[in-house]
Amino acid sequence: NAGVTQTPKFRVLKTGQSMTLLCAQDMNHEYMYWYRQDPGMGLRLIHYSVGEGTTAKGEVPDGYNVSRLKKQNFLLGLESAAPSQTSVYFCASALDWGISYEQYFGPGTRLTVT
Amino acid sequence: GENVEQHPSTLSVQEGDSAVIKCTYSDSASNYFPWYKQELGKRPQLIIDIRSNVGEKKDQRIAVTLNKTAKHFSLHITETQPEDSAVYFCAASRGGADGLTFGKGTHLIIQP
Repeated sequence: NAGVTQTPKFRVLKTGQSMTLLCAQDMNHEYMYWYRQDPGMGLRLIHYSVGEGTTAKGEVPDGYNVSRLKKQNFLLGLESAAPSQTSVYFCASALDWGISYEQYFGPGTRLTVT
Repeated sequence: GENVEQHPSTLSVQEGDSAVIKCTYSDSASNYFPWYKQELGKRPQLIIDIRSNVGEKKDQRIAVTLNKTAKHFSLHITETQPEDSAVYFCAASRGGADGLTFGKGTHLIIQP
């Protein structure tokens, strides 16, 4: 199993450009999450999904949109990138809270907005 | 929402000594408390976790304690080794699909 994968690994955007980050998991997990990590900070939850076709806002959702059309994929979109969105983005997945609480993280995407 | 405070931000210990990192949380409904280790440029890796119905959990050199009344939990690493050098994050969650609220991290430095 590949676990949780993220595409791309690195990206540089100009202010105002748009892009989509892809998270994929092959563990048949129900729950998926997008976090961002800034220097000197812990991870902060952007959006999450409790199942295919569902999404919800986390702690810092502004400027981002998400979609989960397939159970194994969770997409994070930036419609008009801003320098404040420069960060490392981590995706995570979890099986089901009734079975296991552990979240498995992807390798991250380093995004720079100039 | 939940707020997690973590101390210290940097901890330097001699190899072989013990290290203790402390976290407090604000939401009394939180019931899951994981600890993650993150090496430079890598993803966070779960090292140990505890649920609110347990006061202490141990896994070899690593242990976590939880005081629900005081709303704080701690990570204890004994017989520290160079490979323990990393940033450690505590987190808290209500469970379900709420996601994790993280502390700001502790940079643990093991001095040879």
